[in-house]
Amino acid sequence: GAGVSQSPSNKVTEKGKDVELRCDPISGHTALYWYRQSLGQGLEFLIYFQGNSAPDKSGLPSDRFSAERTGGSVSTLTIQRTQQEDSAVYLCASSLRSSGGFITDTQYFGPGTRLTVL
Amino acid sequence: AQRVTQPEKLLSVFKGAPVELKCNYSYSGSPELFWYVQYSRQRLQLLLRHISRESIKGFTADLNKGETSFHLKKPFAQEEDSAMYYCALKFTGTYKYIFGTGTRLKVLA
Repeated sequence: GAGVSQSPSNKVTEKGKDVELRCDPISGHTALYWYRQSLGQGLEFLIYFQGNSAPDKSGLPSDRFSAERTGGSVSTLTIQRTQQEDSAVYLCASSLRSSGGFITDTQYFGPGTRLTVL
Repeated sequence: AQRVTQPEKLLSVFKGAPVELKCNYSYSGSPELFWYVQYSRQRLQLLLRHISRESIKGFTADLNKGETSFHLKKPFAQEEDSAMYYCALKFTGTYKYIFGTGTRLKVLA
């Protein structure tokens, strides 16, 4: 079946502009994550959503960053007033929580959105 | 503070040589640890998890709570193992992960 998809694949914007990044998780996956991948910084956790629970926003670096997940499916990461240090690859991942005793927590990653802020 | 450390940014080994990618963690709870791999032009994907005690593509990783380590090992490296490897820790009872900064493995012919 289809994997996690992200759009756009590349985004070039000017400093100060707002951007929206989209993630379509695997159908039926209840958990959705956003990460930022910067050169030399590895993967930085931003936010995750799990079902109808309140999202864990503890990784968002500033109040310029926000994310929402509509209908338990598609998610949008919004960066307002972009800065050059926001340039990175933004990765989305989703995972399925099984109904049994063992949580199936393998994360399936999307291809990422490369954001360049000029 | 919770932390995952991968001390090597780049590790180069010759084909057929043993390889060990180091991962150390700092976590107050009972850790759940994973290795993820990203091959060139491919998506990041799960390689293995400690709870399964599995061997994937010849790689194994043992959780050593005394040394707070989860090193990834393979006895005989292959060229196709060249990739970026990330160690990850999952917070117990949550869906939050922290990743290390990654180690790029280059297997030389």
